[in-house]
Amino acid sequence: LAKTTQPISMDSYEGQEVNITCSHNNIATNDYITWYQQFPSQGPRFIIQGYKTKVTNEVASLFIPADRKSSTLSLPRVSLSDTAVYYCLVGDIWASDTNAGKSTFGDGTTLTVKP
Amino acid sequence: IAGITQAPTSQILAAGRRMTLRCTQDMRHNAMYWYRQDLGLGLRLIHYSNTAGTTGKGEVPDGYSVSRANTDDFPLTLASAVPSQTSVYFCASSESAGEPTYEQYFGPGTRLTVT
Repeated sequence: LAKTTQPISMDSYEGQEVNITCSHNNIATNDYITWYQQFPSQGPRFIIQGYKTKVTNEVASLFIPADRKSSTLSLPRVSLSDTAVYYCLVGDIWASDTNAGKSTFGDGTTLTVKP
Repeated sequence: IAGITQAPTSQILAAGRRMTLRCTQDMRHNAMYWYRQDLGLGLRLIHYSNTAGTTGKGEVPDGYSVSRANTDDFPLTLASAVPSQTSVYFCASSESAGEPTYEQYFGPGTRLTVT
């Protein structure tokens, strides 16, 4: 079971690039890394997912080093509306071994974007 | 309405009472999940289901039960509520199970207070 560790909070300013790193030293071979965004009083929303190297979509990039023990979510040119909690999720609910049903959301990183 | 609906939005429940939280999705997703989120913390998986008729235990299943009679509905039951079950409960679904890409779509949550 891959326990994840993220910074509790980060501050940034509008227009800056923000990088949030998640540590997952015990990641299993079959585990994917997924990032979610959560606004107050709402359910989390999927941002991006990757297995290794780099993944990019229209809202973010995800960098995963070769050892996969960490990952970095990169948000380009943040705006005030990006203020939210960001969760790194590692695990495989569908594993066939004792890790079945295990997927670990960390406690998240609260990103505050200032004007 | 597309997506996931949860009911009730919020509930205050006396300890020892039985309660069923409802979850319905209209996306014809095979997999569904129940999470709880305690104040200021990340989400923890309670139960999951990869298809109608099958369910599995997540990280924190004790005190909860689920059923999956059909594709769309995934109710969560607290047989005898205790104060430690005070939390926000999120239902989620994903298109398929057993594949690496399982973007989860979350409902708006049910805020439950057990007194």
